[in-house]
Amino acid sequence: QLQLQESGSGLVKPSQTLSLTCAVSGGSISSGGWSWSWIRQAPGKGLEWIGYIYHSGGTYYNPSLKSRVTISVDTSKNQFSLKLSSVTAADTAVYFCARTSSQCGYYYCWFDPWGQGTLVTVSS
Amino acid sequence: QSALTQPASVSGSPGQSITISCTGTSSDVGTYEHVSWYQQHPGKAPKLMIYDVTNRPSGVSNRFSGSKSGNTASLTISGLQAEDEADYYCSSYISSSTLDVFGSGTKVTVL
Repeated sequence: QLQLQESGSGLVKPSQTLSLTCAVSGGSISSGGWSWSWIRQAPGKGLEWIGYIYHSGGTYYNPSLKSRVTISVDTSKNQFSLKLSSVTAADTAVYFCARTSSQCGYYYCWFDPWGQGTLVTVSS
Repeated sequence: QSALTQPASVSGSPGQSITISCTGTSSDVGTYEHVSWYQQHPGKAPKLMIYDVTNRPSGVSNRFSGSKSGNTASLTISGLQAEDEADYYCSSYISSSTLDVFGSGTKVTVL
């Protein structure tokens, strides 16, 4: 059974860089037909897709965050990572990683499974 | 602002059936068969409940069913139970390749 687990800094100072890693277990991150996503949820708000990466390294970012986001993959460690620079209080959220199906032939079909999520607070 | 419109809240009594709507456009729900639904309990990660409009992943109760008519998709929960109280999000493939794929979310309350 595939499982995803986020890890990283839970408290980040304004203007600094948020860094998170998602470890994938129970399956290979290099499996075809999937990409790997970061999604966040601000307190009391809905879901926001930050971006995704293929095992080949190809990425796509949400235009609203594109200038500050970097998603990378390490197939040797079966994990992928998120970096978000120049953070502000508006970046305070629970950050989820998720496997993204592209088996329907499009960039996105559904997300499954999700990691448990990790709260990142931006505060001095 | 979400690409897909959902009611803010829906409620029902135990044993009843409720339906949550998800309204999009001809660029997403109306044309493509890739609507999914997610259940999120407080403090937990979203869980895939329905994919490709009507399909249930293994392990998801058959009390959950999905459908679509025109630009509106629906999630029906039959035999409502206390454990169904949660937030529900719809999502759809969108032809513009935007990452804004989630609905605004619906809070389901079991009375």
